[in-house]
Amino acid sequence: AQSVTQPDIHITVSEGASLELRCNYSYGATPYLFWYVQSPGQGLQLLLKYFSGDTLVQGIKGFEAEFKRSQSSFNLRKPSVHWSDAAEYFCAVGHGSGNTGKLIFGQGTTLQVKP
Amino acid sequence: DTAVSQTPKYLVTQMGNDKSIKCEQNLGHDTMYWYKQDSKKFLKIMFSYNNKELIINETVPNRFSPKSPDKAHLNLHINSLELGDSAVYFCASSQVASGSGEQYFGPGTRLTVT
Repeated sequence: AQSVTQPDIHITVSEGASLELRCNYSYGATPYLFWYVQSPGQGLQLLLKYFSGDTLVQGIKGFEAEFKRSQSSFNLRKPSVHWSDAAEYFCAVGHGSGNTGKLIFGQGTTLQVKP
Repeated sequence: DTAVSQTPKYLVTQMGNDKSIKCEQNLGHDTMYWYKQDSKKFLKIMFSYNNKELIINETVPNRFSPKSPDKAHLNLHINSLELGDSAVYFCASSQVASGSGEQYFGPGTRLTVT
């Protein structure tokens, strides 16, 4: 069965420091991978997605993610974190067959940014 | 203009009551979803409709009944509310019912059952 694991429940970084949020997936075929961000009291916003091609994908707000098939990982990175990046981050895998659009989410990582 | 909207934003009710949450999208998408986010922020899909047809029905108590009157609307009715139903419910939509389809989420409805 498909699954997504985000090993870090909570991460704290200083403003201006670099960030890496980990995501590991379990999926039989080439996955459709997503990172979403949820600000407090808000819905989810798509940061970036990977379907195929270049394994390094760029997203909004200065985020990027790298797909590594050998490690079943899709880690999210940002070179310099801003205080406004404090939020909940979710990695998700899209179900590729059956035409359902089902997304399976990881448990989420809470990012706290220190001034 | 709000792409995916939900009403109400907050809903506080007592056990045993029946309540509905409404969702509307103005993106022209064919597919709509209901997700439940529990107190640990875990998100799980509940239902999905494509062109008003139910295509995903996860293991959800039959007290929950979705209804899609048209492609732009997906409502969720909950009968005999229980304490465990307290959660944030998110509506989402996508252009197609595919794992590759980007989903747009509404702001959520926080349901509290007392």
